[in-house]
Amino acid sequence: GQNIDQPTEMTATEGAIVQINCTYQTSGFNGLFWYQQHAGEAPTFLSYNVLDGLEEKGRFSSFLSRSKGYSYLLLKELQMKDSASYLCAALDSNYQLIWGAGTKLIIKP
Amino acid sequence: DGGITQSPKYLFRKEGQNVTLSCEQNLNHDAMYWYRQDPGQGLRLIYYSQIVNDFQKGDIAEGYSVSREKKESFPLTVTSAQKNPTAFYLCASSSGRDPDTQYFGPGTRLTVL
Repeated sequence: GQNIDQPTEMTATEGAIVQINCTYQTSGFNGLFWYQQHAGEAPTFLSYNVLDGLEEKGRFSSFLSRSKGYSYLLLKELQMKDSASYLCAALDSNYQLIWGAGTKLIIKP
Repeated sequence: DGGITQSPKYLFRKEGQNVTLSCEQNLNHDAMYWYRQDPGQGLRLIYYSQIVNDFQKGDIAEGYSVSREKKESFPLTVTSAQKNPTAFYLCASSSGRDPDTQYFGPGTRLTVL
């Protein structure tokens, strides 16, 4: 079956760095997305990786290893507003998105 | 301003009633999607449409119906056959072109009393 695994919850300190991991098992692979979702709101697009390596976008970076079925989202210089859930989703061979349950990130002052 | 709108934000209905959730986009996207989100779970696909007048069932289509008569609109009807309809419903759209990023509306929280 198809599966996405990510930690349920993580805690970090304001100003620090946090890495949120995601492993995926899909029938075929056409890319991996990260979304941010604040409580009670819609997910917003953060990043897309289809090739191995690191994509940097301001304070946020996303990494992909296709051979390991692994991705991570790296958040630097954490701010209180980064408290949210982070959703990992993989695009399978039929171009259907398979979603993880999300990682709730709690930022402490 | 381009975007996706969903209405209403909050909806209450009595058991046994059908209810229709609205989703409109002005992004000129070909594809539209309906998801359901329950606490502690990932997004689950209900229905999707890649072109006007055509749609496909997702993983949890039972108890739901959709129509796609216009490119801009993809309403979802939650029927009385849906056993656990209380949830957060999210509509999304995408261009259909690589990398086909999905963009979401603000969501509708449905509560069945």
